[in-house]
Amino acid sequence: EPEVTQTPSHQVTQMGQEVILRCVPISNHLYFYWYRQILGQKVEFLVSFYNNEISEKSEIFDDQFSVERPDGSNFTLKIRSTKLEDSAMYFCASSVTDTSYEQYFGPGTRLTVT
Amino acid sequence: AQSVTQLGSHVSVSEGALVLLRCNYSSSVPPYLFWYVQYPNQGLQLLLKYTSAATLVKGINGFEAEFKKSETSFHLTKPSAHMSDAAEYFCAVSDLEGAQKLVFGQGTRLTINP
Repeated sequence: EPEVTQTPSHQVTQMGQEVILRCVPISNHLYFYWYRQILGQKVEFLVSFYNNEISEKSEIFDDQFSVERPDGSNFTLKIRSTKLEDSAMYFCASSVTDTSYEQYFGPGTRLTVT
Repeated sequence: AQSVTQLGSHVSVSEGALVLLRCNYSSSVPPYLFWYVQYPNQGLQLLLKYTSAATLVKGINGFEAEFKKSETSFHLTKPSAHMSDAAEYFCAVSDLEGAQKLVFGQGTRLTINP
């Protein structure tokens, strides 16, 4: 069964460093999303992406964050200058269309900022 | 704005007993509602979804949920718990107006006692 994959599973970085989290969505999906879950808190929406542009973003998704689909398969989340409060589990998801309302999630990348 | 409240961050039941996980939502438009399950070190897996068809929705692994508009609830049930049901369960809501993001509850950790 097709699945969303994410790499790395765990990333440790120092405050102020740039990180890139990678995702490979399911191949025929058209919509892509990033969510995050700070330890002990809710899963929060960050951004959705369609047709090579952001379709919606949350207040969390400030200028330090960016997303890109650099080729036909990868979908990346970049954090330009990490802060301690960026430590969280980051989930990538994809769906076929916005009306299917069924998002498939990857296993997540645990980001630890020290 | 949409929101989801899951009553009880931890629920513990005996094997073979009824599982009831509570979810109440707030939405200004007819909602789409979801239950996701997260097993340790894995991503979020869709259990079931309500998309304005039948109010009683059956999902995987013997789970079902009933949409009750008058109570703004979407509680998850399973008649007989199995040890393999131990996991974290998330209720989520999405709206019909093209915004694809999911808004999650805080999650309920289900423990099954032998």
